[in-house]
Amino acid sequence: EADIYQTPRYLVIGTGKKITLECSQTMGHDKMYWYQQDPGMELHLIHYSYGVNSTEKGDLSSESTVSRIRTEHFPLTLESARPSHTSQYLCASSERSSDTEAFFGQGTRLTVV
Amino acid sequence: KNQVEQSPQSLIILEGKNCTLQCNYTVSPFSNLRWYKQDTGRGPVSLTIMTFSENTKSNGRYTATLDADTKQSSLHITASQLSDSASYICVVSDRGSTLGRLYFGRGTQLTVWP
Repeated sequence: EADIYQTPRYLVIGTGKKITLECSQTMGHDKMYWYQQDPGMELHLIHYSYGVNSTEKGDLSSESTVSRIRTEHFPLTLESARPSHTSQYLCASSERSSDTEAFFGQGTRLTVV
Repeated sequence: KNQVEQSPQSLIILEGKNCTLQCNYTVSPFSNLRWYKQDTGRGPVSLTIMTFSENTKSNGRYTATLDADTKQSSLHITASQLSDSASYICVVSDRGSTLGRLYFGRGTQLTVWP
């Protein structure tokens, strides 16, 4: 079992609300990632980070923002949630080398009504 | 364009039977290929990771193969169990960037019936 945690597991929220999805890892990994996954579809990278104070946008355009103030913590924020944001959000982390395994959290299933 | 294609899209087998899942990729330059198991509503869990020089790797009842020349991989599951029901995702990493970008297939949805 990987030491990477996401909260909440499920979230149902109204349109226009601000939300923050939490992701924490205790493995000391430099790299962290946020992926978005719709049912039956592949994962799409929306944000990544090489380390503290480093954040970059991924392949899929997203209205969300991220921060990396501490190595172990990589929260994702939506300032104003919309129904189009309904999806599963997966956080992952890995060591600096590209040959190492990426560990995934359990995911947050977000529903915006 | 870097892509990962998996087949079949879905598969149903009886408990105790074997099955083989396929993955073709066009990712270049290639770094490694990973197979993940994703249970419904949960995050992916790594089964195997193979680099260019490895052509087979086993993890219990799971055996992955890699042909880097033809850019194909397979995941063979032996003596399937009900708990094997999940989506199996092929993921290829490139070494063209410091990120080691991961390219995901859409997965094969495996259902094991008793």
